[in-house]
Amino acid sequence: AQSVTQPDIHITVSEGASLELRCNYSYGATPYLFWYVQSPGQGLQLLLKYFSGDTLVQGIKGFEAEFKRSQSSFNLRKPSVHWSDAAEYFCAVGPYNQGGKLIFGQGTELSVKP
Amino acid sequence: DVKVTQSSRYLVKRTGEKVFLECVQDMDHENMFWYRQDPGLGLRLIYFSYDVKMKEKGDIPEGYSVSREKKERFSLILESASTNQTSMYLCATRNYGYTFGSGTRLTVV
Repeated sequence: AQSVTQPDIHITVSEGASLELRCNYSYGATPYLFWYVQSPGQGLQLLLKYFSGDTLVQGIKGFEAEFKRSQSSFNLRKPSVHWSDAAEYFCAVGPYNQGGKLIFGQGTELSVKP
Repeated sequence: DVKVTQSSRYLVKRTGEKVFLECVQDMDHENMFWYRQDPGLGLRLIYFSYDVKMKEKGDIPEGYSVSREKKERFSLILESASTNQTSMYLCATRNYGYTFGSGTRLTVV
């Protein structure tokens, strides 16, 4: 079955600390992977995506993610968290084409302590 | 950039009402999607459409229908709204990645 698992429902980090959000997927074909961020009351905004090439991808707002095929993982990282990063983060997987539905994880809510 | 516009940010409807949620995109994308988002459940796909007048059921289509008469517009219809349809509804288009609208928070009382 195709699925995305984000094991952490809620994470709290201190401002300036590093962050890693976990994402594991199960997908039958070559996966096209995404991370999205959602601020309260807003739609989802694309942070980064990966299909092929360098397994470490850079995104907006200083985020990066690393694809590890052997572990079926696509973890999101940021070296130093800012208070404005508090939001909900979603990992998603889908086919590499113009259409096709994406499968989303349940989301990880990030809180940032001053 | 692609823009996806959902006509209402907040809606309050009564049980049994017929509810229309509208979504309009300003690019020529063929693929459009409706999701609902609930705490702890993430995003669940209700319906999607690959082209005008074409529709496919997603994971939770019960109680919903859709309409796509024009390429740029994809409407979600709640035939008879119920309280368990209180949720955040998100529309998206896809051209490799998704572009989402800002969402409609629907409350059914």
